[in-house]
Amino acid sequence: AQSVTQPDIHITVSEGASLELRCNYSYGATPYLFWYVQSPGQGLQLLLKYFSGDTLVQGIKGFEAEFKRSQSSFNLRKPSVHWSDAAEYFCAVGARRGGADGLTFGKGTHLIIQP
Amino acid sequence: KAGVTQTPRYLIKTRGQQVTLSCSPISGHRSVSWYQQTPGQGLQFLFEYFSETQRNKGNFPGRFSGRQFSNSRSEMNVSTLELGDSALYLCASSLGQGAGGELFFGEGSRLTVL
Repeated sequence: AQSVTQPDIHITVSEGASLELRCNYSYGATPYLFWYVQSPGQGLQLLLKYFSGDTLVQGIKGFEAEFKRSQSSFNLRKPSVHWSDAAEYFCAVGARRGGADGLTFGKGTHLIIQP
Repeated sequence: KAGVTQTPRYLIKTRGQQVTLSCSPISGHRSVSWYQQTPGQGLQFLFEYFSETQRNKGNFPGRFSGRQFSNSRSEMNVSTLELGDSALYLCASSLGQGAGGELFFGEGSRLTVL
């Protein structure tokens, strides 16, 4: 079965500093990979996704992520965070052939922005 | 265009009751998925419907059920509520079925079971 690990439950970053959120997955092949963001009281919004091709993918709000097959990782990065980036971030994997599990999400990383 | 709409946004029930949650997908989207979000278990896949048929189902007891109508709107039902069913229930729609489609989430229905 597929699984996702987000090792950092909380991360605190100063406004204007760079950000990297870690995500490791377990899957038998190359899965679909996603990063979602959830603000308090809101649903999830897709930041970016990796299906195939270029392993560095660009997303909305200045985010990017890099797929590293050898490390089974899909880390999310942003060069300079803004206070509005404070939210919960979820990494997710999906089976390429639409298996019975839907999307499998990590437990999330809570991002705190210091002024 | 309008996003995914979930109703009700908040509700309180007591143990043993049943609840029905509704989801209206984005116009033109034919796939609707449901997820349960709790602090302890995180986001867990419940089921997915496409063209009125349940395509995939997560590891939840039979008390959790759903359906999809011809206009792609979906409902999920939880019978014989337990305290542990307290959660945020998120609905997501997409154009196609399976994990390949980009999911658009609603704001969720927050269920509290007393």
